[in-house]
Amino acid sequence: DIVMTQTPLSLSVTPGQPASISCKSSQSLLHSDGKTYLYWYLQKPGQSPQLLIYEVSNRFSGVPDRFSGSGSGTDFTLKISRVEAEDVGVYYCMQSIQLPFTFGPGTKVDIK
Amino acid sequence: QLQLQESGPGLVKPSETLSLTCTVSGGSISSSSYYWGWIRQPPGKGLEWIGSIYYSGSTYYNPSLKSRVTISVDTSKNQFSLKLSSVTAADTAVYYCASLVARSYFDYWGQGTLVTVSS
Repeated sequence: DIVMTQTPLSLSVTPGQPASISCKSSQSLLHSDGKTYLYWYLQKPGQSPQLLIYEVSNRFSGVPDRFSGSGSGTDFTLKISRVEAEDVGVYYCMQSIQLPFTFGPGTKVDIK
Repeated sequence: QLQLQESGPGLVKPSETLSLTCTVSGGSISSSSYYWGWIRQPPGKGLEWIGSIYYSGSTYYNPSLKSRVTISVDTSKNQFSLKLSSVTAADTAVYYCASLVARSYFDYWGQGTLVTVSS
């Protein structure tokens, strides 16, 4: 199985400040079709996960542009340019280049 | 926009079979654009993919659960279902159903249903 790791595992951020989460995979997520199968989800407290970013850097419908994704191969980053109170929750990265789909352990973001 | 809703018993006895159904609305489960999947989350823990199905009935499962999992689809009811046999306390989790785009990522999720395995 591809192992996904995330750092940090928790993050406390002042509103209006930026935040960054790293995700690393044990194997390259770049497929021969040219796509990179890396995704980001946010699970707000008491809710189901919601898709933020697909294929490394594409924001899903309705996702604010303060969220951005970058990276390649095995190293990826989710950035929030200015954290807002509604951004609290647990952020997960996920890979789907190889079965089984696997998720990172999650990064818990809260507000200072 | 798709909406998904899980349903089924919230309490299952050890060694019995967990059965859940996901009802899809706002779109057809027979859409060629989608696969459908189950993911679970033990209390306070992370996410684990269980398996996925296409409307044709083609399935693929997490090898860690494959011997106990069956996912099926009922296109006439716009539903797909999960059966997990021989459950133990380790199977206690919130179970989510979700739509899977291009067999690659989950875009819409149900609200989740907590299933507790206990006698």
